Amino acid sequence: QSALTQPASVSGSPGQSITISCTGTSSDVGGYNYVSWYQQHPGKAPKLIIYDVTRRPSGVSNRFSGSKSGNTASLTISGLQAGDEAEYYCSSYRSSISVVFGGGTKLTVL
Amino acid sequence: QVQLVQSGAEVKKPGASVKVSCEASGYTFINYYIHWLRQAPGEGLEWMGVINPSVGRTTSTQQLQGRITLTRDTSTSAVYMELSSLTSDDTAVYYCARGPISSSWHFDFWGQGTLVTVSS
Repeated sequence: QSALTQPASVSGSPGQSITISCTGTSSDVGGYNYVSWYQQHPGKAPKLIIYDVTRRPSGVSNRFSGSKSGNTASLTISGLQAGDEAEYYCSSYRSSISVVFGGGTKLTVL
Repeated sequence: QVQLVQSGAEVKKPGASVKVSCEASGYTFINYYIHWLRQAPGEGLEWMGVINPSVGRTTSTQQLQGRITLTRDTSTSAVYMELSSLTSDDTAVYYCARGPISSSWHFDFWGQGTLVTVSS
């Protein structure tokens, strides 16, 4: 059982927007602005797409955006593309120097 | 360009130890943390620990304390992760990943992964 809770799967059609939630506690998501999101294609290493809740690394499309309210963080992908089909993981710093992850959400582009 | 290159796949027997290397290039080695994470087959990501290459200080998850050793060689910009007393539950792809030393916790560049299989 993962420390952070994500939906197992989400789906959307090309051009649509989807949102993936990530729920933790006040010891991790709610207590720190250190939520990050990773995209992982099968057989590949994860890729950072959002860090510090809302910040995008250089080179990441502005179709990806992050937010947080209380103990729940969210990743929104707008203008869905076929290449967005992947597994998405949220992560947060947790008190006492630790990092926790969600169980992953499989995004299917219909 | 930033690169983290890991050593090759390993097959180990239960009770043995494994040592995985991660060689960094394309940036100033001592200015970033190196984290270790793993992913069991079909499962999610698990953070294992972190080393500050500048001073060698390490922190690891409570579940692995006593079994994991992180070291670094600043002369070769390499970091090593050794895991002892292996069981089948340790079968996973192991990743090293770079993280900022300043006030943020994320992993911006990843190694290609090293598959460690524990089997009798």
